[in-house]
Amino acid sequence: DGGITQSPKYLFRKEGQNVTLSCEQNLNHDAMYWYRQDPGQGLRLIYYSQIVNDFQKGDIAEGYSVSREKKESFPLTVTSAQKNPTAFYLCASSIDRTGHSPLHFGNGTRLTVT
Amino acid sequence: GQQVMQIPQYQHVQEGEDFTTYCNSSTTLSNIQWYKQRPGGHPVFLIQLVKSGEVKKQKRLTFQFGEAKKNSSLHITATQTTDVGTYFCAGRNYGGSQGNLIFGKGTKLSVKP
Repeated sequence: DGGITQSPKYLFRKEGQNVTLSCEQNLNHDAMYWYRQDPGQGLRLIYYSQIVNDFQKGDIAEGYSVSREKKESFPLTVTSAQKNPTAFYLCASSIDRTGHSPLHFGNGTRLTVT
Repeated sequence: GQQVMQIPQYQHVQEGEDFTTYCNSSTTLSNIQWYKQRPGGHPVFLIQLVKSGEVKKQKRLTFQFGEAKKNSSLHITATQTTDVGTYFCAGRNYGGSQGNLIFGKGTKLSVKP
């Protein structure tokens, strides 16, 4: 079955440590996204990528970094510079770069930093 | 910047009652998408509306896009316990980049059997 795989489902880190969240898709989608979701909030865009080796900042990119070395993979690093990293992180993809195709989401990674 | 306001934030209904959630944008939208997120799950795409005044139906769900393309609504007729979850709208500006899909904060629906 095609889909988006995020791992791990739960992640715990100590403050001051960088952590990388994995996102892999086998849908052959061009575009990939990272969103952050906090309780009672909508989804806020961190980074997105329309093509391999290219990505753009979203609304809340500070303290995060990404790479897109392969079409299938779009890992997100939460750095120690992110002041409030505890959140639910959702990776998504869309079939094309027109901006009118629906988003397909992974199951998410719940990150807790103490 | 552009905002998409969604109301109400919470809605508690008795099974069988109807439910409506509303989205309003400060700017004209090129399209609007609706997603459903079950408790503990991830958002799942429901539908996209593109045309002014468009109405689409999916069984008991009716989606509308306003004539001015600044507002949208989702109406569920005769709710069931399987409708429980948070419903999000997400709007896109004309000429906006692909990342310019703005999500509302969602309406959390609970259904009492």
